[in-house]
Amino acid sequence: DQQVKQNSPSLSVQEGRISILNCDYTNSMFDYFLWYKKYPAEGPTFLISISSIKDKNEDGRFTVFLNKSAKHLSLHIVPSQPGDSAVYFCAASARIYNQGGKLIFGQGTELSVKP
Amino acid sequence: EPEVTQTPSHQVTQMGQEVILRCVPISNHLYFYWYRQILGQKVEFLVSFYNNEISEKSEIFDDQFSVERPDGSNFTLKIRSTKLEDSAMYFCASSEDRDLFYEQYFGPGTRLTVT
Repeated sequence: DQQVKQNSPSLSVQEGRISILNCDYTNSMFDYFLWYKKYPAEGPTFLISISSIKDKNEDGRFTVFLNKSAKHLSLHIVPSQPGDSAVYFCAASARIYNQGGKLIFGQGTELSVKP
Repeated sequence: EPEVTQTPSHQVTQMGQEVILRCVPISNHLYFYWYRQILGQKVEFLVSFYNNEISEKSEIFDDQFSVERPDGSNFTLKIRSTKLEDSAMYFCASSEDRDLFYEQYFGPGTRLTVT
């Protein structure tokens, strides 16, 4: 199942700089997208979401951009902090078809923010 | 801050045995989910549950699996006869209401090891 892809398994960024995590999807029926952060030995933590009717959603240091024509979304973290070091998962849903709340996850990108 | 809790954190069982994984969702949440992550693979949706019945299930969720909300607080996943390939991290999640349906909050997971 390759409907949601995160092609970069890892990313290293200097503290204070911007982190950009990317996600591509293939299913044009997806209309809701989420980013989750996961620390070792913990469950995924919800970060931010975006509906397909928007192209940008911002929450503090986190901004998600959606490019529907390219079937691409990205998560920007500015400024990056060492505590942001974690695995970031992109997830998607086709709400009209998945009435039960099914989320489809990407493989994750491990972000390392160096002091 | 309210959180989803899961017990046990680690369960070791022999092939063919029944296991029950337990979850306590966030108290005012109405929708409940189980996901799993096999080591090195994506987080995969198993089942969603609302109003005491299954809303949606994946092809993974076959007759060996069942879910139950036995009382007002617990949500359980039962695997009747475990197989080696059931070894995975199992995450419970819950979400608040229809408008925030897809913003699911995850527990820390139960690591199931089938030997």
